[in-house]
Formats: sequence, structure tokens, C-alpha cells
Amino acid sequence: DQQVKQNSPSLSVQEGRISILNCDYTNSMFDYFLWYKKYPAEGPTFLISISSIKDKNEDGRFTVFLNKSAKHLSLHIVPSQPGDSAVYFCAACVRGGSNYKLTFGKGTLLTVNP
Amino acid sequence: DAGVIQSPRHEVTEMGQEVTLRCKPISGHNSLFWYRQTMMRGLELLIYFNNNVPIDDSGMPEDRFSAKMPNASFSTLKIQPSEPRDSAVYFCASSSWTDTEAFFGQGTRLTVV
Repeated sequence: DQQVKQNSPSLSVQEGRISILNCDYTNSMFDYFLWYKKYPAEGPTFLISISSIKDKNEDGRFTVFLNKSAKHLSLHIVPSQPGDSAVYFCAACVRGGSNYKLTFGKGTLLTVNP
Repeated sequence: DAGVIQSPRHEVTEMGQEVTLRCKPISGHNSLFWYRQTMMRGLELLIYFNNNVPIDDSGMPEDRFSAKMPNASFSTLKIQPSEPRDSAVYFCASSSWTDTEAFFGQGTRLTVV
């Protein structure tokens, strides 16, 4: 039972265009969402996050949108650059208290073509 | 800070052998996580510790897997006996209660032949 789903295993876009990566979740208790980026032979690194009390968070070229009613979030990268080529993982958790764990999707491989 | 440190980076072993993966979390972090990455299942949480105490080990695949955290600066994940289907990249991550994001090590690529 996958609580966090990334239904697109891969995405290819042209340099300078927008990349949109999607993520769906099933657990309505999740109240914090994160995106991680992973290059080959490296560990995932934190990219951007959003709390469930917001519907948008922006950091430079990266924007995350949250639609709680649809249990859907997306990561927009504008403009896309070849260095953005990596696997992107969506993650979710329930905050509060001292115990929490991140539940990850399977990842989407983004390829940005020059 | 050097970040989360995992060793070894690569491990090749024969089926039936014992494998021990090691992790040093970021100093001051209270939580430690072991994840496994495979093509089929993505990043799966195996077990996590808070203040060196195992909190949730429901992701550990079977009794062949065990994890310990004897102190705040060291954790091990042991597989005994190992099987070819255990081949994957194993990540350790740590976080503090003031941060929601977890910081990952570079992973150990395990190959069981």
C-alpha cells in the first residue's frame, strides 16, 4: 500500500522550459511535504518543502504547489537547466511530537536536454 | 560538519554471508533512519531510532535484518544470512527535532551474488 505515489517514472524536457513533477498521497494525516533530489551515486538531498497550511512555496526556480482536497502536490522548475537532471523524490510526514518518519514515493527521473 | 557518513560505499558478498552496514549520523541529531532503495519499490523506510531507541521497525523485511544504535553517534544494519534479493542501495539519514528534513548519507551499494 503506497501512501505516496509518483506515477511518472521519467520526464524529459528541453532546457529553458518548465518541468512539472507530480505526486499524489493517500494518507490525509500527512501535514508536511518535501521534495528531494538525487544524483547518481549520491544520497538524496533536500530541495524544498511545504506545510499543509499553505498551498504554495517558492524558492528561486523551484515552486511547490499543494492541493489538499485532491491530495496532490507538484514541483515546478522554471527555467529547467541540464544540471537539474536527477531523480526527484516526493516525501510526506506527520509532524508533531518527537516521532516522525518520511514516507517517499518511487521517484521521477528528470532529464533536461540542452 | 561532514554530514552523515556511511561505510562501506560498496559491498559485494556471497549469498549466506553476514553483511554489516555502518552509519555515523550528524552530531546533535536525535533521529536516525535506515532506508533501502530499489527500482521496484523506490525508497523504503526499514527502521528508525529516536534518541538511540528503535521506534518503528515495521519496514524491516524479515528476521534476517537487524539494526542497532548503541550510542548517539553510531548505528549498524546487519543482514544475516544475506540473499541476492537483498541487493540494493542502503541509505542512512539523520535529523533533529527542530528540522523536518532528514539528511542522507551517500549510501552503501550492496551486491549479494
